Amino acid sequence: DQQVKQNSPSLSVQEGRISILNCDYTNSMFDYFLWYKKYPAEGPTFLISISSIKDKNEDGRFTVFLNKSAKHLSLHIVPSQPGDSAVYFCAASAVDYGGSQGNLIFGKGTKLSVKP
Amino acid sequence: DTEVTQTPKHLVMGMTNKKSLKCEQHMGHRAMYWYKQKAKKPPELMFVYSYEKLSINESVPSRFSPECPNSSLLNLHLHALQPEDSALYLCASSQGASEYGSYEQYFGPGTRLTVT
Repeated sequence: DQQVKQNSPSLSVQEGRISILNCDYTNSMFDYFLWYKKYPAEGPTFLISISSIKDKNEDGRFTVFLNKSAKHLSLHIVPSQPGDSAVYFCAASAVDYGGSQGNLIFGKGTKLSVKP
Repeated sequence: DTEVTQTPKHLVMGMTNKKSLKCEQHMGHRAMYWYKQKAKKPPELMFVYSYEKLSINESVPSRFSPECPNSSLLNLHLHALQPEDSALYLCASSQGASEYGSYEQYFGPGTRLTVT
């Protein structure tokens, strides 16, 4: 059973426009969400995160929105650039007060292509 | 410095070989992770070390043996692997978790493993 879902395997956007990547989750215990960007044959690169006590977090061109009631989050990239072309993974975590590791559950990823 | 290093970058091994993957971080992170990623799939958690102790083993076969010699190093010993074990092996580290949520995990570039 997939706890973190990215239902769009791919997205194509024109350079300069907004890219919106979506992610849904099912586990109401998740309270921390992250977005990672991955190029082929490289490790994922952390982009931006949001705690469940917030509904928006912004960092430069990247904004993550969280709708807890809908169990939905989205990553907005504006303006999109060709260098943003990569696979984007949504990840979620539930704080384990008995431990200290903060395990992540990843979605399957969305491949973003930004056309010049 | 948010760098996690992994060696080797590529590894080809036979089914009877013994080899080791190495991971290193100098960010003072107390949690370290091994993930396995197959093509077009999200990273799958294998092992978690928290404060140099193995805290999670996600039902990984015994032909994979993790080791955490100290807080900066993480090894993955490989023995008698199968061709289906061919994948990208990713190491990650994080500060762990706090009452506000999990800290982000920083990934290394991965080791591309091919079992022949």
